[in-house]
Amino acid sequence: QKEVEQDPGPLSVPEGAIVSLNCTYSNSAFQYFMWYRQYSRKGPELLMYTYSSGNKEDGRFTAQVDKSSKYISLFIRDSQPSDSATYLCAMSGGSFQKLVFGTGTRLLVSP
Amino acid sequence: DAGVIQSPRHEVTEMGQEVTLRCKPISGHDYLFWYRQTMMRGLELLIYFNNNVPIDDSGMPEDRFSAKMPNASFSTLKIQPSEPRDSAVYFCASSLLSPAGYNEQFFGPGTRLTVL
Repeated sequence: QKEVEQDPGPLSVPEGAIVSLNCTYSNSAFQYFMWYRQYSRKGPELLMYTYSSGNKEDGRFTAQVDKSSKYISLFIRDSQPSDSATYLCAMSGGSFQKLVFGTGTRLLVSP
Repeated sequence: DAGVIQSPRHEVTEMGQEVTLRCKPISGHDYLFWYRQTMMRGLELLIYFNNNVPIDDSGMPEDRFSAKMPNASFSTLKIQPSEPRDSAVYFCASSLLSPAGYNEQFFGPGTRLTVL
């Protein structure tokens, strides 16, 4: 079993829809949770970061962490075609440890 | 800043040949990471350095893979001999530990390697 599980998709939605992307993990030591966005033929870039449990909002994006369920989510409101990309969750244990990435979910937002 | 620079962007080689991938991290960053990305396995950490010293190479798949960081502004990942199953996109990333304690890694554009 992988440490981090993520549905590869693709997830296809119409413009304006609310998107929910999720990851589950098995290592209870993870404390730092991140979402990276990767456009086609580009490197991943950090989208959001959350420490421990709770919610964090940034514009149209909301990240949620439920440590009791070992489950993290990224919500995208009013999705746009420019949001079409692969979204990778990533997590680590201590104040600096290597990141463990999910395999990524490909999102397609159609106009 | 120009960001993380990788070269070459594309590499096509034949099985058995030596392949060298290059990376220039963001100036001032003290961590450098090499990843491999495939459809099947996603993004896998191969090795990372802190202040030019290799810290964890447990992700390096075989002895055919080696990485060096001779100075703070340059790193190489070498595959010798290369095999078709090494075909993947190889990313270099660098980071500087944030006062908040998290590790934002900045990725380069990647090198797409095809081994025939």
